[in-house]
Amino acid sequence: NAGVTQTPKFQVLKTGQSMTLQCAQDMNHEYMSWYRQDPGMGLRLIHYSVGAGITDQGEVPNGYNVSRSTTEDFPLRLLSAAPSQTSVYFCASIRGSEQYFGPGTRLTVT
Amino acid sequence: AQTVTQSQPEMSVQEAETVTLSCTYDTSESNYYLFWYKQPPSRQMILVIRQEAYKQQNATENRFSVNFQKAAKSFSLKISDSQLGDTAMYFCAFPGVNDMRFGAGTRLTVKP
Repeated sequence: NAGVTQTPKFQVLKTGQSMTLQCAQDMNHEYMSWYRQDPGMGLRLIHYSVGAGITDQGEVPNGYNVSRSTTEDFPLRLLSAAPSQTSVYFCASIRGSEQYFGPGTRLTVT
Repeated sequence: AQTVTQSQPEMSVQEAETVTLSCTYDTSESNYYLFWYKQPPSRQMILVIRQEAYKQQNATENRFSVNFQKAAKSFSLKISDSQLGDTAMYFCAFPGVNDMRFGAGTRLTVKP
């Protein structure tokens, strides 16, 4: 049981490039979410999904896309990276009231 | 709107001493959970302790305990017998409708 996994752990992009952050969970949780963590601001919700085929926007969705074709996977796409998207990204799945976090991806956009 | 406020950006404590981290929140819900997460330099988010609002008894997990004041909407974390491994960012969190609302965090340094 690997829990929530994220790849890559680190990534450097140039402005305008696109990429996908991968997230997978093996706990059969319906609810998954993506957060970004910036200094002094805690974690903020980007997008979330309540089940396969269902996604919705969180607090800071601009510049990001998500899809949920399976219960296990919830990738986050950066369409055209900007320096403002430099952050640490966490994927999480939820069962009941408890969140299970992935190890995070540190993304730098130059 | 549900908000979570941590008013102490940084704190330090001597090893073996006790420290209390503050958190206040705002909600119109009557039954809910509250959480404290620890984030060490490894970046992993680790659940420290959870409190159910309908329980009057404060939650305790080994050296970690909370002081939950429902009427005041206050949820502080007390760390007893602080250890060097407790050095980390600590986040107070409150479940919203579709997400978890986090405070801005308190950076705790345990000094030898």
